[in-house]
This record gives sequence, structure tokens and C-alpha cells, in this order.
Amino acid sequence: NAGVMQNPRHLVRRRGQEARLRCSPMKGHSHVYWYRQLPEEGLKFMVYLQKENIIDESGMPKERFSAEFPKEGPSILRIQQVVRGDSAAYFCASSPGQGTAGELFFGEGSRLTVL
Amino acid sequence: AQSVTQLGSHVSVSEGALVLLRCNYSSSVPPYLFWYVQYPNQGLQLLLKYTSAATLVKGINGFEAEFKKSETSFHLTKPSAHMSDAAEYFCAVETSYDKVIFGPGTSLSVIP
Repeated sequence: NAGVMQNPRHLVRRRGQEARLRCSPMKGHSHVYWYRQLPEEGLKFMVYLQKENIIDESGMPKERFSAEFPKEGPSILRIQQVVRGDSAAYFCASSPGQGTAGELFFGEGSRLTVL
Repeated sequence: AQSVTQLGSHVSVSEGALVLLRCNYSSSVPPYLFWYVQYPNQGLQLLLKYTSAATLVKGINGFEAEFKKSETSFHLTKPSAHMSDAAEYFCAVETSYDKVIFGPGTSLSVIP
């Protein structure tokens, strides 16, 4: 059973470009979470999605950031007009859903570098 | 709102010594609590979880944690540190609707 798959593992963008990070959850998991990790900092919650629905996006910056989890295909975290401060590791995690005591299964992360 | 604090961003222990990583939480309801470990350039993996059953929870790699409601704590311990335990450790709490909040993390170094 494949784990959570994130791609690309490394992404380099110039300021003003767009970054798209993809996450395929574990088979049978309907909940996806995105977190951002900066050096020497912990994991900051960004957004929590179920299929076709955003449940909680309280950690998402109000501008330039968006996330989706379509009925078919991976979850996408999109960052428009990237700035140097967006450089970070972005982790996706999935879970089977409610009643599973919140155990998350993490991907290996996508490391974004903005030049 | 639920939150998690971890006392000590860096902890160093000698190989074979006791490991103690501290975690305190705030929650208005009985929480689900977790410890995750992150090795360099990897994602997080679950060490153990508390889900309101036994207050002493045993996890992988010899780690365990004790839930103390009166102290709102969930400290992680291991009797004897191994070099392979060097990693970043995160305490986490689940909110009332499946959102998981992580503490800032504690970096554990093991000295030979």
C-alpha cells in the first residue's frame, strides 16, 4: 500500500512565478492536510480538505495561496506570484477520516526555493 | 482553542541516558494527543498516541508517554537513548473536528 506521495520533492522558482505542489493521499484516505515548515520552526497548519471541500483554511495566507482536493486526482497546493518568504518545506498528510483519532500519514515533503 | 507547547527547542543527552521531552497542551475537551518524529529530510511519522484509554502509552522504538490531566502534560520518555534517536520530535493535539495542531518541536541530539 503506497504511502502519501508528494511531488515534486524539490522545486525552484523565481520571484513572481507560480508553484504547484501535488499530494496523492494513501489509498482509502479522504482527508488531506497541508503544513508548512520553515527552518528552526515547527509545522504550521495551512489547510484541511476533504474530497471537493475545504474544511478549514485558517492557516492559509489570504492572498496568493489556494488549495484543492478534487473528486479525482491529487490535492494541489498552489502559490501564485511566489516571493522569497515562500521558501519552505511543504508537507502533505492524509487520514482515513473522522473517528480515526487524528493519526496522520505524512509525505516526504516538497521543498520550495524561491530565487 | 487547542494549543501545544514544548519546553526546550534543543535537548542533548548522552548515549544510554534517559530521554525526557516535555509537552503541555491546552484543550477545552478531552484531547487526542500524539508524538511524531521527523528524521532529516523526511516527513513525520507517528511515535505514539493517546486516545483516552490508558494514561501511559507505549510507542515504537522504546518510547512512551504519560498523559497527566492535572498537569495538562504529555511528556515523552525513553529509558536509554540510542544514537539513532537523534531527530526532531513534535507533540500534537487534535481539535474537536480532526484538525491536528503541532507544537514547535524539540531537536534531540545524542552524544556518544
